[in-house]
Amino acid sequence: KQEVTQIPAALSVPEGENLVLNCSFTDSAIYNLQWFRQDPGKGLTSLLLIQSSQREQTSGRLNASLDKSSGRSTLYIAASQPGDSATYLCAVRHGSGNTGKLIFGQGTTLQVKP
Amino acid sequence: DTGVSQDPRHKITKRGQNVTFRCDPISEHNRLYWYRQTLGQGPEFLTYFQNEAQLEKSRLLSDRFSAERPKGSFSTLEIQRTEQGDSAMYLCASSFDSGPGRGYTFGSGTRLTVV
Repeated sequence: KQEVTQIPAALSVPEGENLVLNCSFTDSAIYNLQWFRQDPGKGLTSLLLIQSSQREQTSGRLNASLDKSSGRSTLYIAASQPGDSATYLCAVRHGSGNTGKLIFGQGTTLQVKP
Repeated sequence: DTGVSQDPRHKITKRGQNVTFRCDPISEHNRLYWYRQTLGQGPEFLTYFQNEAQLEKSRLLSDRFSAERPKGSFSTLEIQRTEQGDSAMYLCASSFDSGPGRGYTFGSGTRLTVV
């Protein structure tokens, strides 16, 4: 059974710091991995999607890496800003079957202090 | 296209009442998913439609829950005889799969509070 874990559960940093959020999964047979942002009381906004054959994806100040063999992904945020404060969720889509359902981690809640 | 829409945004109901939520996916997306998220947790899969066919249901989806997607367009999720444990955010997502997965688009969710 696929399990997804995110560490740390919460993180507080001063503005301007570079930071790394971690995601690990137990079954390496994934189809893809997606990072989402969730603001309090809101839905999920997709940040980056990494296919199983890819090693990383970049969008602006965000960079996500994927190491399937070790069951790990990281989300790197450069030069953090107060507007980055949110919960970040990673989710894996399993490789077997055709459902396409996602298995989520519990999220990392980030606070960037001005 | 305005993305995935969910209605209502918030619902407060008394225990034992029935509630229905609606999701309008992105029009060209053939796949539609329902997830449930409780406070401090990641979303958990409930059910999945490909066009109008409901192809998978989680064991989280008890007999009190039913979902439909008539004509492969919008979807409804009904909860009968609500319980306090049903209080959660209900999220809808849609995707279009042709070849490599293209990822999901989520709606803003419906926050259910059962009192």
